[in-house]
Amino acid sequence: AQSVSQHNHHVILSEAASLELGCNYSYGGTVNLFWYVQYPGQHLQLLLKYFSGDPLVKGIKGFEAEFIKSKFSFNLRKPSVQWSDTAEYFCAVNAPNRDDKIIFGKGTRLHILP
Amino acid sequence: EAQVTQNPRYLITVTGKKLTVTCSQNMNHEYMSWYRQDPGLGLRQIYYSMNVEVTDKGDVPEGYKVSRKEKRNFPLILESPSPNQTSLYFCASSHWQRTNTEAFFGQGTRLTVV
Repeated sequence: AQSVSQHNHHVILSEAASLELGCNYSYGGTVNLFWYVQYPGQHLQLLLKYFSGDPLVKGIKGFEAEFIKSKFSFNLRKPSVQWSDTAEYFCAVNAPNRDDKIIFGKGTRLHILP
Repeated sequence: EAQVTQNPRYLITVTGKKLTVTCSQNMNHEYMSWYRQDPGLGLRQIYYSMNVEVTDKGDVPEGYKVSRKEKRNFPLILESPSPNQTSLYFCASSHWQRTNTEAFFGQGTRLTVV
């Protein structure tokens, strides 16, 4: 079965620091990859997605992610975080040619110090 | 506006009193699912549905029921709620077996069972 691993459960950074959140998935076939963000008290919103093409994907609010197929990874990055980036981040994968379920990682809670 | 609507947003109930949380989407999505979110456990899928009258168990189905009589609605039913079902619940929908699809989430339902 597919699975998604997020390496960091809780990350604390100061404003302007660079961010990288790790995500690895286990399925070897064609995948769609997502990062969702959940701001405090809110629902999950799509941050960015990869379906095909350029493996470097740019999302909203200055976030980007790189799909490295050989490493089964889809790490999320931001060069300079802001206090408003404090949120929980979820990596997700689905296999459209397989069972097509969207599988979520356990999430990474990001706390930005002002 | 494309959206997934859950009701109620907040609910406090007593052990054993049947309740239903409604979920409706206006995007003609085939796939709908329910998740519960608990601290440290991320999102866990309860049930999902690939289309009308087609439902299946997710990772944590015990104590829950669902139905999918219409494409747009996917209610979550707790026949006899217990305190361990106190959680934050999210409904999500997406297209099924299409290459470029993403999940859209409802606003969440915070359930407390006393």
